[in-house]
Amino acid sequence: EDQVTQSPEALRLQEGESSSLNCSYTVSGLRGLFWYRQDPGKGPEFLFTLYSAGEEKEKERLKATLTKKESFLHITAPKPEDSATYLCAVFLARGGPGGGSEKLVFGKGTKLTVNP
Amino acid sequence: EPEVTQTPSHQVTQMGQEVILRCVPISNHLYFYWYRQILGQKVEFLVSFYNNEISEKSEIFDDQFSVERPDGSNFTLKIRSTKLEDSAMYFCASLGDTTYEQYFGPGTRLTVT
Repeated sequence: EDQVTQSPEALRLQEGESSSLNCSYTVSGLRGLFWYRQDPGKGPEFLFTLYSAGEEKEKERLKATLTKKESFLHITAPKPEDSATYLCAVFLARGGPGGGSEKLVFGKGTKLTVNP
Repeated sequence: EPEVTQTPSHQVTQMGQEVILRCVPISNHLYFYWYRQILGQKVEFLVSFYNNEISEKSEIFDDQFSVERPDGSNFTLKIRSTKLEDSAMYFCASLGDTTYEQYFGPGTRLTVT
């Protein structure tokens, strides 16, 4: 069974206190790993895609990395506006584009709160 | 910047009623999806749609659910006879043919009473 596990479930940081969120996965047919940000009552907002082990992507205070079994989202010197739930999702594509199974499998997310 | 839009933002319906949730995907995208998120739970895949037919559906997507692309811009999810447990946020997403990046709409909050 395809599984995506995120930890911790919730994280409280002080402004400027760097930390990392973890996403581990057990899937077959992985085509990519995605990080999304979700604000309360809103849709997931795309942040990063990682396709292969060793790949890294950066955007402002966020940096995502990928190994064969897990991904990390590093947050450097966070600000209160970084408070949100961060979702990890794996994209499974079996059978080729348009010809089979293509879907995102999400973890439960990490709720990040950054206090001023 | 192109975005996925959804209407309505909030729908309240009585148990047993039919609802249609509407989505306008990004215009040059070819793959379309519906996901749902029950309050406090993870985002769950419902169905994928490509070339005017369903590519895959989850166990949740039973005979009460259907999808349609009635014209070149809209993508709809119909629930024929709503149940209390259908109450959730429903997200539409679309995907182009050059990356695997799915872009999500803002969601429709469905409340079944």
